[in-house]
Amino acid sequence: DAMVIQNPRYQVTQFGKPVTLSCSQTLNHNVMYWYQQKSSQAPKLLFHYYDKDFNNEADTPDNFQSRRPNTSFCFLDIRSPGLGDAAMYLCATRGTGLNTGELFFGEGSRLTVL
Amino acid sequence: GDSVTQMEGPVTLSEEAFLTINCTYTATGYPSLFWYVQYPGEGLQLLLKATKADDKGSNKGFEATYRKETTSFHLEKGSVQVSDSAVYFCALSSSNTGKLIFGQGTTLQVKP
Repeated sequence: DAMVIQNPRYQVTQFGKPVTLSCSQTLNHNVMYWYQQKSSQAPKLLFHYYDKDFNNEADTPDNFQSRRPNTSFCFLDIRSPGLGDAAMYLCATRGTGLNTGELFFGEGSRLTVL
Repeated sequence: GDSVTQMEGPVTLSEEAFLTINCTYTATGYPSLFWYVQYPGEGLQLLLKATKADDKGSNKGFEATYRKETTSFHLEKGSVQVSDSAVYFCALSSSNTGKLIFGQGTTLQVKP
């Protein structure tokens, strides 16, 4: 059974029209991440939550926001998508304690901007 | 800072050929090392991992050994299949930041 679930798998939006991507997890992991991935390049970390603490990467544009209302859910909001924001968005989780640093990824949400 | 370098692709092999994808890393402390695989249109899946020096990770016929002396974690498979065609990412878990740092990815194409 899928442990990290992303919705929708495919999202088409218009230039400048806000979009929200969601991620849910059944692993009860403390840490949740959002990555952006273009054209089979390495995933680029946008931000992550450690419990409720939000950690933004220095080069993440202000256009990208995130919410984590509870342990299980995390959202990625793109306020005004541009053509350059078309990408695969990957959610991942990580436990703590004896964790080896392994991340568990969802299937991804592919965003198309028209 | 911590970093991962993979051999550039694409790598094109015939079915049943031997596969090696080189991966070297730079890190402070004692990182865990991973290989993730991404099939077309899908998310990343953990292929194998190693958490300390000389550990060998293995899964689905793939193997990689954590070599601290050469700071390497090369991925190998003795006989590839068409279904192994995917993008492979080497990664380390930074002991400083707790973040996963990826190599640039290597595309493998296996032809019948």
